[in-house]
Formats: sequence, structure tokens, C-alpha cells
Amino acid sequence: DVKVTQSSRYLVKRTGEKVFLECVQDMDHENMFWYRQDPGLGLRLIYFSYDVKMKEKGDIPEGYSVSREKKERFSLILESASTNQTSMYLCASSLLLGQGTTYEQYFGPGTRLTVT
Amino acid sequence: AQKVTQAQTEISVVEKEDVTLDCVYETRDTTYYLFWYKQPPSGELVFLIRRNSFDEQNEISGRYSWNFQKSTSSFNFTITASQVVDSAVYFCALSVYNTDKLIFGTGTRLQVFP
Repeated sequence: DVKVTQSSRYLVKRTGEKVFLECVQDMDHENMFWYRQDPGLGLRLIYFSYDVKMKEKGDIPEGYSVSREKKERFSLILESASTNQTSMYLCASSLLLGQGTTYEQYFGPGTRLTVT
Repeated sequence: AQKVTQAQTEISVVEKEDVTLDCVYETRDTTYYLFWYKQPPSGELVFLIRRNSFDEQNEISGRYSWNFQKSTSSFNFTITASQVVDSAVYFCALSVYNTDKLIFGTGTRLQVFP
């Protein structure tokens, strides 16, 4: 079974703090993704990575950065947390085959971040 | 532009009723993939099905079935004889051409009452 784990289920931070959200997958997947989920907006892609040290911006990268130093680990960083970053953050991973084939993503349990 | 629309925000049914969740997508790609995910109250999205654009056969898995119709750009999901454990938010998603990214709909919350 694919397992994607996230460092915290719940997190409360103050405005201006630097926040690290960690994600680890154990299935040797090349792709890893960070989403945020807000009511009525579905899932929106923040960043994704298809290889170590590689990253691509998603739809809403502003205010976030990422780090992928090892294949199994993908970190989301909020450089200076703001109240509008209060949200549910979901990490996912998937296989990369290329050639126009898209595989399913497997998700972690999510981190509910509150910025006060 | 690519888009996924799940027009039903919330559906409530009584146990044992059949229920269909609608998904309409927009894409100009000829090769694409469609997905359904379930998000129970625990929060973790669970993968249900992946279907490529060249396979229009309907799929059945137990009480779940999926109807893919390219002519109407729809990929609808039916739960037969619903159960309380089916209560969740269900997301439909579409692949972005030549990437491994997915575009998600806004989800449909299904509540099944005993």
C-alpha cells in the first residue's frame, strides 16, 4: 500500500512565523505535490516536483516555497505566515511515466493549519 | 482552458437509495485522464478510479459504477444502495495535458442518512 505521511495533523502558528510542512512517501514515486483545500474552492495546486531538487509552480504559489532534497520527502515552506494561509494542506505523490500517461495521486491525511 | 465542474454542491439521500454524482469536464486535449476521489470525514483523499479518454466502457466495482460519455464530456459516478459509510465529499479530477498535474472540481458533499 502506498503511504504518504504528513508531519502534523493540526498546527497553530502566529502571523509572521516561518512554517514548515513535511511530507514523506514510501513508494518511490517521482512526483510529489502540495495542495491547499478551502471550502467551495476544491483543491488548488501550490507546487509540485517531479524529481529531487526540481520544482514547478502550481496555480497559487505566492507566499510559499518548497524543498525536495530527497526523493521521498517534499517540504512546503510558508516564509512569513499570514492569516489568509489558514487552510487544509494536502500532500500527494504519484508515479511518473511520461509519454502522456497520468497516474493517480495518493494523498496524505492533511495538515490543518491555523494562522492567528 | 481545462476545467472540471461538479454542479452539485451537496446531496442528501436516505440509506439504500441510489445516487449519481455529476462531473462535467472541459479540455481540448485528445488524450486525457479522469479520476474520482473520496474524502471521508477523516480528511484523507482516497483514490477510486482512473479512466483514460480512449476507454469509454462503463466501469462497475461493487456498488460503485462510472459512466464516461465523451459526447457530453461527462464522467458521472453512481452509488447503488447507498450506505451511511458512503457519506463523504467526492471529487472529480482531470489530467493536464503532458503533465502529471490534476485539475479538481469543487467537490460534492454526499450525506447518507440512516
